[in-house]
Amino acid sequence: DARVTQTPRDKVTEMGQEVTMRCQPILGHNTVFWYRQTMMQGLELLAYFRNRAPLDDSGMPKDRFSAEMPDATLATLKIQPSEPRDSAVYFCASGPRGGPPETQYFGPGTRLLVL
Amino acid sequence: DAKTTQPTSMDCAEGRAANLPCNHSTISGNEYVYWYRQIHSQGPQYIIHGLKNNETNEMASLIITEDRKSSTLILPHATLRDTAVYYCIVRAGGGGTTSGTYKYIFGTGTRLKVLA
Repeated sequence: DARVTQTPRDKVTEMGQEVTMRCQPILGHNTVFWYRQTMMQGLELLAYFRNRAPLDDSGMPKDRFSAEMPDATLATLKIQPSEPRDSAVYFCASGPRGGPPETQYFGPGTRLLVL
Repeated sequence: DAKTTQPTSMDCAEGRAANLPCNHSTISGNEYVYWYRQIHSQGPQYIIHGLKNNETNEMASLIITEDRKSSTLILPHATLRDTAVYYCIVRAGGGGTTSGTYKYIFGTGTRLKVLA
C-alpha cells in the first residue's frame, strides 16, 4: 500500500531556529504539493512542484520559507528563521502522472510548534 | 475562495446511509467535483471525483445533478470510522499550469459525526 511519508511527525523548536520538513512522495508520482493547516485558516496551499520543478510557490512567505525537490523521491520545506505564527500542521501530497483529472494523496503531516 | 457551499455539520446513525450535499452553482464545464475527507489528526484522504456522470467506488457514490450545480456524496453504510470532515472541491482537470487551475481550494467542509 503506497503512501506519502513525512518526517518528522512532530517538531518543537524555538523562535529563530531553522526547521526542515521532509516528504517522500509515492513512487512514480510526478506532482508534489505542500499545504499548511491551522484552525484559523484551514488548509492552505504553499507550493506546487511538477517533475521536480516549482510551478507555484505564491502561497509561501518568501522571506523565510523555501521548498525544493533535490530528487524525485524527496521534497523539503524549510523555514528560516521560524516564528511562533508558523505553528501549524504541514502536509505534503503527491499526485500520479497523467490526467486529467489530478487526484492528490496526502501524507500524515508534520505538526510544528514554534515557541 | 472556495467555490462550494456545504453544511457545517451533520449527524448520521451507524449503519445508515450518509448523504452529504454540496452546492457548486458556478461550476465551469471543465471543472471536476472532488471529495476528500479528513479524519482527526490525519491528512486529507481522496474519496471520489466526477465530471458529469454519477460515480461509484469502494468508498462512496457521487451523484451529480444534470445541471452540475450541486452534488451529493453518499456513504451507503456509515460506520463510526467515517466520522470526519468532508470537503467538496471543484477544480479544473488537467496537468496544472501557473494559472492556478491545479489548485484545490479546501473550504470549511462538513463535519460528519456517525452516532452509535
